[in-house]
Amino acid sequence: DVKVTQSSRYLVKRTGEKVFLECVQDMDHENMFWYRQDPGLGLRLIYFSYDVKMKEKGDIPEGYSVSREKKERFSLILESASTNQTSMYLCASRDTQGLKNTIYFGEGSWLTVV
Amino acid sequence: RKEVEQDPGPFNVPEGATVAFNCTYSNSASQSFFWYRQDCRKEPKLLMSVYSSGNEDGRFTAQLNRASQYISLLIRDSKLSDSATYLCVVGGSQGNLIFGKGTKLSVKP
Repeated sequence: DVKVTQSSRYLVKRTGEKVFLECVQDMDHENMFWYRQDPGLGLRLIYFSYDVKMKEKGDIPEGYSVSREKKERFSLILESASTNQTSMYLCASRDTQGLKNTIYFGEGSWLTVV
Repeated sequence: RKEVEQDPGPFNVPEGATVAFNCTYSNSASQSFFWYRQDCRKEPKLLMSVYSSGNEDGRFTAQLNRASQYISLLIRDSKLSDSATYLCVVGGSQGNLIFGKGTKLSVKP
């Protein structure tokens, strides 16, 4: 089975702190994604990466950055956390082999910024 | 028109009922289509892919209508365990995946 692991499940951070959310996948997928999910807004794409050291902005990149130094790891960084970044963050990787094009999610990281 | 649009519900149905969800998408060049299921405070999980000819998996049937740009999901003989939010997902023209906001289903005894 595909495994996408988000190491931090529940975090509480103060406004202005730097926050790192780590994500690791074990299936050698090239594509990885970071989403946030908020009530009534659905899943919104923050950043994605097609390969090592490559990154593309999603729909809401402001206030975030990412790092993809190794294929299996995709990190989301909040340089200076703000209260409006309180949310559930979902990492995902995608299997693009053949016709699958299936996306697999980690269990989510619940971030509260106070 | 929103890229992927779903009725948010909630759909409240009794056990054993048949329920259908529809989803419309705006990009006619979309090539891949999926239904995901998300339980409360959990991550979305793939329920089924949707193929042009339609496909069935047990009590679940998915259909695609390219001409009208909509996807449907039919659940027969609803179970209490089917209660969840169902997300319609469409593969964008740039290789990304676009998620609908989800339709909430609540199956009652």
